[in-house]
Amino acid sequence: AQTVTQSQPEMSVQEAETVTLSCTYDTSESDYYLFWYKQPPSRQMILVIRQEAYKQQNATENRFSVNFQKAAKSFSLKISDSQLGDAAMYFCAYRSARSEKLVFGKGTKLTVNP
Amino acid sequence: DGGITQSPKYLFRKEGQNVTLSCEQNLNHDAMYWYRQDPGQGLRLIYYSQIVNDFQKGDIAEGYSVSREKKESFPLTVTSAQKNPTAFYLCASRTKLRNQPQHFGDGTRLSIL
Repeated sequence: AQTVTQSQPEMSVQEAETVTLSCTYDTSESDYYLFWYKQPPSRQMILVIRQEAYKQQNATENRFSVNFQKAAKSFSLKISDSQLGDAAMYFCAYRSARSEKLVFGKGTKLTVNP
Repeated sequence: DGGITQSPKYLFRKEGQNVTLSCEQNLNHDAMYWYRQDPGQGLRLIYYSQIVNDFQKGDIAEGYSVSREKKESFPLTVTSAQKNPTAFYLCASRTKLRNQPQHFGDGTRLSIL
């Protein structure tokens, strides 16, 4: 079964600095999708960024970018120029292209210090 | 505005009672999902449906039931057989296109009285 591991339960960053959140996953599939979701205190799940496994180029969305290492099964999220509004739980998620199931990690709580 | 609406925002259940959580979407999405979130945990899949009148069990379906009579609606019933129902419940949906992500509603917080 696929699993997603986020090894950092909590992280903190100074406003305007850069932080990287780690995610590793275990799968025998070759075609899959990876996602980072943000869950602020309001508890809504918001899609931050996604990566398709067949694409070698790392995805970017404004201040958010990923480092996708397919051979290492690693999918880290980099947040540049951190803002107070970035404070939230961040969840890494995996979905096989052959399945509807989205498998989540346990999350990383990000604190942004002013 | 297009989106996913979950209601109620807060729900209380008495012992032995069934309760139903509502999830409605106007995004014309084909697939819909129910997740449970416990403190310090990621989301776990309860049930999902890819088409009207069809649904599949997720990883923690025991004590829950669903229906999908309309494309827009996917209600979740938490039955009295679910002994530990206190949790945050999230509904999601997505289109059939293979690379599209799931989008989530705002959630329902269920507590035991």
